[in-house]
Amino acid sequence: DAMVIQNPRYQVTQFGKPVTLSCSQTLNHNVMYWYQQKSSQAPKLLFHYYDKDFNNEADTPDNFQSRRPNTSFCFLDIRSPGLGDAAMYLCATSRDRGDGTQYFGPGTRLTVL
Amino acid sequence: GESVGLHLPTLSVQEGDNSIINCAYSNSASDYFIWYKQESGKGPQFIIDIRSNMDKRQGQRVTVLLNKTVKHLSLQIAATQPGDSAVYFCAETAAGGTSYGKLTFGQGTILTVHP
Repeated sequence: DAMVIQNPRYQVTQFGKPVTLSCSQTLNHNVMYWYQQKSSQAPKLLFHYYDKDFNNEADTPDNFQSRRPNTSFCFLDIRSPGLGDAAMYLCATSRDRGDGTQYFGPGTRLTVL
Repeated sequence: GESVGLHLPTLSVQEGDNSIINCAYSNSASDYFIWYKQESGKGPQFIIDIRSNMDKRQGQRVTVLLNKTVKHLSLQIAATQPGDSAVYFCAETAAGGTSYGKLTFGQGTILTVHP
């Protein structure tokens, strides 16, 4: 059974057109993470939620926003996608901040035209 | 800044051989290490982990070795199979400090297993 679910798996958007990616989890974990992964690179952390506490990475562009309306769901909003934002976006969860093990979803592949 | 890196970006082996993937880390405060496997088009999958109070941990066909003296981590895969072909990432985190709750990933090693 899928534990971290991401929708859609593939997303195509136009340059500058806002897009929202979705993540849900059935693990009841406190922490949810969003990563950006470009081809042949390691995942890069954008931000994470510890419960309702939002933690942004210093180098995450303002173009990227996130919402966590409840424990199970977390959204990544890209306000004005540029060509450089084309990437795989990965959602991950961990039981607690001190629990280093993160469980990843299958990712959403974003294409920007 | 602190980083986790890999010595070899690619590794090709024959089916049935043992594979060894290496990783160097620089944050001496790191106390928890994880190996992830990422197949093409999928998210990273947890393989095995190890805490800094251990130097070896075994799973099914996989062994992780940790050498804190030289800040080196390795993943050994026994009897490598074609299904093991993937990118392997090491990741580390620390119990406190600015890294708390975050993973720092290495660059990744592409493992290709030939039948």
